[in-house]
Amino acid sequence: GAVVSQHPSRVICKSGTSVKIECRSLDFQATTMFWYRQFPKQSLMLMATSNEGSKATYEQGVEKDKFLINHASLTLSTLTVTSAHPEDSSFYICSAPGPDNQPQHFGDGTRLSIL
Amino acid sequence: DAKTTQPNSMESNEEEPVHLPCNHSTISGTDYIHWYRQLPSQGPEYVIHGLTSNVNNRMASLAIAEDRKSSTLILHRATLRDAAVYYCILSGGSNYKLTFGKGTLLTVNP
Repeated sequence: GAVVSQHPSRVICKSGTSVKIECRSLDFQATTMFWYRQFPKQSLMLMATSNEGSKATYEQGVEKDKFLINHASLTLSTLTVTSAHPEDSSFYICSAPGPDNQPQHFGDGTRLSIL
Repeated sequence: DAKTTQPNSMESNEEEPVHLPCNHSTISGTDYIHWYRQLPSQGPEYVIHGLTSNVNNRMASLAIAEDRKSSTLILHRATLRDAAVYYCILSGGSNYKLTFGKGTLLTVNP
């Protein structure tokens, strides 16, 4: 079945560093991808909708200059957390609708820890 | 987005059936009912979805009330690997964003 691959699975870095997370759809094309964030013991919160060839759509309260999204191809969306700080530490997850109206498929998530 | 209401937690014994309820009284006519589950430190996994009729797949069954204001996810024989948070979500379709609630934490006892 359709698979979404997310990389890296874990990042530990110093405060002030910018971190890029990749989300790839394997064996299918995704013109739309979604980025979520999940804090410990909480549910997933949608951050933004990534649109191939156009600007991402951000949810209310999500800083677009802080969380840069680039959907440069039909199989790749990237989320860059710019100048990350400890409060940005979280579990970041992407998803993409499967082909032929299949349900959304999720990546395995990226655990980001900012020291 | 139409909201769903689920119990915070449920407990089951291994190899017994599990019925996970979900209330969605404000569901619209075009909303699909989706179920996903999430194991610790993993992304959510699709379980099943339906619109009006009951649905079965290799993982579970979905029973949808006639008025569509509630649904039940049925795991026919729970295993330890079914222990997860189960989310009931309403969505217009696969290309639509999913709004996650708190879900139901299912514990499966050996």
